[in-house]
Amino acid sequence: DIQLTQSPSFVSASVGDRVTITCRANHDINKWLVWYQQKPGKAPKFLITGTSSFQRFSGSVSGTDFTLTISSLQPEDFATYYCQQANVLPATFGQGTRLEIK
Amino acid sequence: EVQLVESGGGLVQPGGSVTLSCVTSGFTLSNYWMNWVRQAPGKGLEWVANINQNGGATYYVGSVKGRFTISRDNTKNTLYLQMNSLRVEDTAVYYCARDPGDDSAWYYFDHWGRGTLVTVSS
Repeated sequence: DIQLTQSPSFVSASVGDRVTITCRANHDINKWLVWYQQKPGKAPKFLITGTSSFQRFSGSVSGTDFTLTISSLQPEDFATYYCQQANVLPATFGQGTRLEIK
Repeated sequence: EVQLVESGGGLVQPGGSVTLSCVTSGFTLSNYWMNWVRQAPGKGLEWVANINQNGGATYYVGSVKGRFTISRDNTKNTLYLQMNSLRVEDTAVYYCARDPGDDSAWYYFDHWGRGTLVTVSS
């Protein structure tokens, strides 16, 4: 199975900050990676695919290293973020990055 | 509006069985691959199984193979997960999730239900 390692596991930031979360795959996944946002007690929500953008969320890739960037944090962005490889079954997720308010 | 509503969770003894249901609306179920994804309390996400549009192809994560069965009834707009020989480590919130692929599976999930909690304990 493909393993995804997210870093950091926890980040504390302020409204307006720029935040970057990294996801590294242990095998080539042909850029098939997606990002989800999950708030406490809620279902995950699809955010973006690996190199796309949506509002202040953008993704990039370099080899097997994927990055989610939030350009200017808003109060509603404080949540846990997961990456997931969509190249091959079983689909696998990173362990999550918890983004908290400083 | 796409909606996925799971039900059927609860407390089950180790070795027991339970069947989860996911009723869908707001889209044509028969056009999409569907999935179950679970999340143990306080833990990360784990893909469990998927099924193609007509139910003729199913795939499972290794830890549930031979114990869980995914199925669907497109006439009832419903996805199912039959869970047998349950173990304590199967305790989790089980989410129903849609694959956005228009014919073949794309292996990710664009819409999720709210989940149903299955607790395996004696």
